[in-house]
Amino acid sequence: DVKVTQSSRYLVKRTGEKVFLECVQDMDHENMFWYRQDPGLGLRLIYFSYDVKMKEKGDIPEGYSVSREKKERFSLILESASTNQTSMYLCASSLDLGNEQYFGPGTRLTVT
Amino acid sequence: GQNIDQPTEMTATEGAIVQINCTYQTSGFNGLFWYQQHAGEAPTFLSYNVLDGLEEKGRFSSFLSRSKGYSYLLLKELQMKDSASYLCAVRRSGGYQKVTFGIGTKLQVIP
Repeated sequence: DVKVTQSSRYLVKRTGEKVFLECVQDMDHENMFWYRQDPGLGLRLIYFSYDVKMKEKGDIPEGYSVSREKKERFSLILESASTNQTSMYLCASSLDLGNEQYFGPGTRLTVT
Repeated sequence: GQNIDQPTEMTATEGAIVQINCTYQTSGFNGLFWYQQHAGEAPTFLSYNVLDGLEEKGRFSSFLSRSKGYSYLLLKELQMKDSASYLCAVRRSGGYQKVTFGIGTKLQVIP
């Protein structure tokens, strides 16, 4: 079974802090994704990566950056957290772009 | 552009059949996913349709009409554990074939 893990289930940070969200997958998938999920807005793609050190912007990349130094690990970085970044963050991976995605359990981030 | 529409909420009775509709408008289409998401949990894959028609998988079936930009998920013999959100997601053609998710339909199964 594919396993996608995220570093924290719950996180509380202050406005202006730098925040790192980590995601690890154990199935040697090429592709990894970061989404945020908000009530009434659904899942929205922030960034994705199709290979080590390769990244592409999703639909809402503003205020975020990503890092993929190793195939199994994909990090989401909030350079200066703001209250409008309070959300559920979900990481996913897939074998090929466009294939079914396997999701991690999510990190609920609260920025105060 | 991309636009995906699903009903926000539905209620159905245990043992019954429910159909969750999804309509989409996209500049390029390459397939449609359905995911299930229980409250507080991650989405899990249910089905993927590329060609027109109905695909059955146990109690769940998914239908696609590419010409109408329409899909539905059919759940039979509803069980209480089917209470969840059901997400429709469209795979775009070309480029990185990004997948765009709809808002999801929250299904409540009642006794």
